[in-house]
Amino acid sequence: AQSVTQPDIHITVSEGASLELRCNYSYGATPYLFWYVQSPGQGLQLLLKYFSGDTLVQGIKGFEAEFKRSQSSFNLRKPSVHWSDAAEYFCAVVSAGGTSYGKLTFGQGTILTVHP
Amino acid sequence: SAVISQKPSRDICQRGTSLTIQCQVDSQVTMMFWYRQQPGQSLTLIATANQGSEATYESGFVIDKFPISRPNLTFSTLTVSNMSPEDSSIYLCSVEDPWEGGKTQYFGPGTRLLVL
Repeated sequence: AQSVTQPDIHITVSEGASLELRCNYSYGATPYLFWYVQSPGQGLQLLLKYFSGDTLVQGIKGFEAEFKRSQSSFNLRKPSVHWSDAAEYFCAVVSAGGTSYGKLTFGQGTILTVHP
Repeated sequence: SAVISQKPSRDICQRGTSLTIQCQVDSQVTMMFWYRQQPGQSLTLIATANQGSEATYESGFVIDKFPISRPNLTFSTLTVSNMSPEDSSIYLCSVEDPWEGGKTQYFGPGTRLLVL
């Protein structure tokens, strides 16, 4: 069964500092990977996704993520964090076949706090 | 991407009652999904709702507790039946956007449910 692990439950950074959120997945085939962000009281917003091709993908709000097959990782990065980036971030993988086609499996989430 | 709305945005209900949550999409989509996010937790798929067929439920979720309707390609409802405090969660619907090769899900803003 597919699974997603986000090792860091809570990360605190200073505004302007760089950010990396870790994500490791377990999946039997080529994964389709996503990062979503959930601001307090809001739904989920798609930041970026990886299906194939270039392993470095660019997303909205200045975020990028790098797919590393050898490490089963899909870490999210941002060079300079803004106070408005404070939110919870979810990594997810989708099932591409079988009875659970289309099912998104989410990691536990990483809460990002930004200090001024 | 599709624009998704949910009603109600939040509600406080008494135990033993039922609540129906509506999900409306601004374009026709084949696949819709319902997720639950318990307090401080990640998202868990409840069921997949395809128009014209019975909803497919994930392990641990049953139709008697979470009946789903999908009358057309832009609308779905999820009912939380015979509620208990353990049902207090955020319920989110999502759609698979057909214009991005499938597999990309966009989420509604969620319905925040508190059961007393």
